[in-house]
Amino acid sequence: DADVTQTPRNRITKTGKRIMLECSQTKGHDRMYWYRQDPGLGLQLIYYSFDVKDINKGEISDGYSVSRQAQAKFSLSLESAIPNQTALYFCATRGQGYTFGSGTRLTVV
Amino acid sequence: KNQVEQSPQSLIILEGKNCTLQCNYTVSPFSNLRWYKQDTGRGPVSLTIMTFSENTKSNGRYTATLDADTKQSSLHITASQLSDSASYICVVSFTTSGTYKYIFGTGTRLKVLA
Repeated sequence: DADVTQTPRNRITKTGKRIMLECSQTKGHDRMYWYRQDPGLGLQLIYYSFDVKDINKGEISDGYSVSRQAQAKFSLSLESAIPNQTALYFCATRGQGYTFGSGTRLTVV
Repeated sequence: KNQVEQSPQSLIILEGKNCTLQCNYTVSPFSNLRWYKQDTGRGPVSLTIMTFSENTKSNGRYTATLDADTKQSSLHITASQLSDSASYICVVSFTTSGTYKYIFGTGTRLKVLA
């Protein structure tokens, strides 16, 4: 089983819809992250959490929210999706280094 | 401003050839530098990590070097294989107010042709 599991792997949604991306990990790490990857821009930090009660905004948090339901679970929500949120989204944990999930490809039409 | 720049943006080589990818950074105070390999549609996977005192680190056919004085790192791939086709991302960490921060480069996209 993967150390960091993201669901769904692919999703197409309409503008204005609410969508949740889920992430679970078996690494036992306290620190979890959500990143967005756009072509040519590298990975940009959306939100991060150092434990269940600690949530922090990253570089590009506008339009996103997160929930840390447990040490192993960290979900990302788009309350009202817009087309420029079309991107590849990665969840990651951090111990000695990052462990990334396989990504969720989100398309907003 | 803390920045990480990678070059070239993309690279095409023939199978069996060697190549070198570059990473220049202006991050301070430097903590460590990692190279990640990202296959298409997958998450990045760590290849090497180097701290300030380390000049070189190898992982199979991948060898990373670090020059902390010039703030440059390179990733050398020897005897390339088709499976080396991927994006290679340089990530530099630094500390601020006692907290570790990470800056990701935009990556070099490598294509190995048969």
